[in-house]
Amino acid sequence: ETGVTQTPRHLVMGMTNKKSLKCEQHLGHNAMYWYKQSAKKPLELMFVYSLEERVENNSVPSRFSPECPNSSHLFLHLHTLQPEDSALYLCASSQDSSSYNEQFFGPGTRLTVL
Amino acid sequence: DAKTTQPNSMESNEEEPVHLPCNHSTISGTDYIHWYRQLPSQGPEYVIHGLTSNVNNRMASLAIAEDRKSSTLILHRATLRDAAVYYCILRDPSNSNSGYALNFGKGTSLLVTP
Repeated sequence: ETGVTQTPRHLVMGMTNKKSLKCEQHLGHNAMYWYKQSAKKPLELMFVYSLEERVENNSVPSRFSPECPNSSHLFLHLHTLQPEDSALYLCASSQDSSSYNEQFFGPGTRLTVL
Repeated sequence: DAKTTQPNSMESNEEEPVHLPCNHSTISGTDYIHWYRQLPSQGPEYVIHGLTSNVNNRMASLAIAEDRKSSTLILHRATLRDAAVYYCILRDPSNSNSGYALNFGKGTSLLVTP
């Protein structure tokens, strides 16, 4: 148990659906991250929030929309996804967004797009 | 970020020590060496990090070469639960352009056999 929870753990959706992934951290951290892990590919950073402000967006398609309402919660809103978006989506948090700090990861949401 | 090179896979017997190598010949003087691991069906977890001196914690030891061009993660007694992908990552807290992402690469897949 890392102190970072993600729901749901598994999600199957059609290309026309709208769904949201939720992440919650109980560590008092100020930075939160979304990563994508596709089969046989390294983890890719998608978004970074520091003190609820988005500080990095790595050329992610607009069909992925993040939201950080407070420092403990992070959402990833999904709409009109493609089958190639099927992957493990990982949330992480750290004390702040400094590159020195350890990142704590949640267990991930396994997403399948049909 | 400077690159790291790790073997694709390694195998160990249970209760034997394991030495996981990492080459980072282009490491800069301010790069820290971080290790994370990812167990099956879980998010990555922090293992250890160091700069120049060898480091020990409850999970592992990190041995850093004198010229810092390589390092070795040491698991003193491998257990079946240590079977995971181990990632060696360089992080430079002094470089504001280094970004927020942990550059995981492909890592070393460790197989532990009874």
